[in-house]
Amino acid sequence: EDQVTQSPEALRLQEGESSSLNCSYTVSGLRGLFWYRQDPGKGPEFLFTLYSAGEEKEKERLKATLTKKESFLHITAPKPEDSATYLCAAPRRGAQKLVFGQGTRLTINP
Amino acid sequence: KAGVTQTPRYLIKTRGQQVTLSCSPISGHRSVSWYQQTPGQGLQFLFEYFSETQRNKGNFPGRFSGRQFSNSRSEMNVSTLELGDSALYLCASSWGDRPSGGEQYFGPGTRLTVT
Repeated sequence: EDQVTQSPEALRLQEGESSSLNCSYTVSGLRGLFWYRQDPGKGPEFLFTLYSAGEEKEKERLKATLTKKESFLHITAPKPEDSATYLCAAPRRGAQKLVFGQGTRLTINP
Repeated sequence: KAGVTQTPRYLIKTRGQQVTLSCSPISGHRSVSWYQQTPGQGLQFLFEYFSETQRNKGNFPGRFSGRQFSNSRSEMNVSTLELGDSALYLCASSWGDRPSGGEQYFGPGTRLTVT
């Protein structure tokens, strides 16, 4: 069964304390791995798409990487405004249907 | 470029009623997908429309239905509402012309509360 699992479920960091979020997947015929950021009461905001193992993408303090079995979202020197739930998702083969992980709720304390 | 818009933003309905939610995709996007988000189940796929045709459907009862119009705008309908239908309903649009689907861009959602 196609599955996307994220860890940890919640993470509290101090401002400036770097860390990584994990997303492991068992989606057959992976055609991309997406990362989203979601603020409370809002829709997910698209961050990155990774298509092949070894690929990396960066945006401000965030860097996403992909291996054959998992993806990491590295956050460097985070600020309180980076606090949000980070979701990863993978589309099933030949479909727009995204399988989402449960998300990591990230809190950055000033 | 305007993003995905959803109306209404908030709804309160009573058990047994029906509801229709609306989604306008990003201009030029032909695919619209709908998701239900709840604290317990997370984001779950409802269905996807491309060029007015339903391409995929998730594991939801037949009370959940949708359609897409020629201008790519989409509506979803839930009949005979149940308390468990309370959720944030999200619409996402994409070009939809790639086998992998491509990036999906989400609207702000409609918060449905069933009492």
